[in-house]
Amino acid sequence: AQKVTQAQTEISVVEKEDVTLDCVYETRDTTYYLFWYKQPPSGELVFLIRRNSFDEQNEISGRYSWNFQKSTSSFNFTITASQVVDSAVYFCALSEWQKSSGDKLTFGTGTRLAVRP
Amino acid sequence: DADVTQTPRNRITKTGKRIMLECSQTKGHDRMYWYRQDPGLGLRLIYYSFDVKDINKGEISDGYSVSRQAQAKFSLSLESAIPNQTALYFCATSSRDSLGRNTEAFFGQGTRLTVV
Repeated sequence: AQKVTQAQTEISVVEKEDVTLDCVYETRDTTYYLFWYKQPPSGELVFLIRRNSFDEQNEISGRYSWNFQKSTSSFNFTITASQVVDSAVYFCALSEWQKSSGDKLTFGTGTRLAVRP
Repeated sequence: DADVTQTPRNRITKTGKRIMLECSQTKGHDRMYWYRQDPGLGLRLIYYSFDVKDINKGEISDGYSVSRQAQAKFSLSLESAIPNQTALYFCATSSRDSLGRNTEAFFGQGTRLTVV
C-alpha cells in the first residue's frame, strides 16, 4: 500500500489563482514527520517544510500554507495567488520509524503544477 | 560548492556493464540515502545508511549495491546495468533532531543514467 498518496498527477492553473495540492499518508508510527519538497524544471529538490505529528497548527509562509489534519491523515499544501515561478513538481514525504527498518523517508509520486500566465 | 555532490552528472552505459555513482557531502550528516526518480513514480528509496556501519535496503534495492566508505561518502553500484535502470538518481543526506528523528533531507543535483 502507498504510504504517501498524491492523487493529483497534474494541475494547471492560471496565474493568480489559488491552488491546493493534496497529500494523504498512512503510518502506524505515533511520532512521524511530514515534508514537502519542490522540484522546479531545473531538477533540484528544494525543501519547503517539515512538520511533526504532534503539531497540528497550520503554517503559513508568504504565499504558501499547509493544513495538517491528523483525523484524515492529510497534509495539504496551498499556494495563494500562484505565479509562473511556482511551476514545478511538488513532493510530499513521510518519515516514520519502524522496528525493522529504522527511520525511513518515503516520498509520494508528486504533483506537477503548471501555472500559465 | 554544493553541500551534496554527485558524480557523474550524466552517464550513458551499455547493458551488462558495472557502474558506480558517487556521492559526497560536506554537511557532516550521519544519514545518507539513494533514491531513483522515474516519471510518474516519484522518488523511490534504493538504500539508506544511518552511519558507516549501518546500511539498509529500501523499497527497490534489487540490482543495486552500496558502499559507505566514510561518513561523507556513499556510493551506489549497478553490478550489471539493465535498460530499466535508466533513471534520474538522487543522493540525499539528513541529520537527526533531539529525538533522533530525521530532519529535512538535502539532495544532490542528481545523476541522469541511461542504460542502452
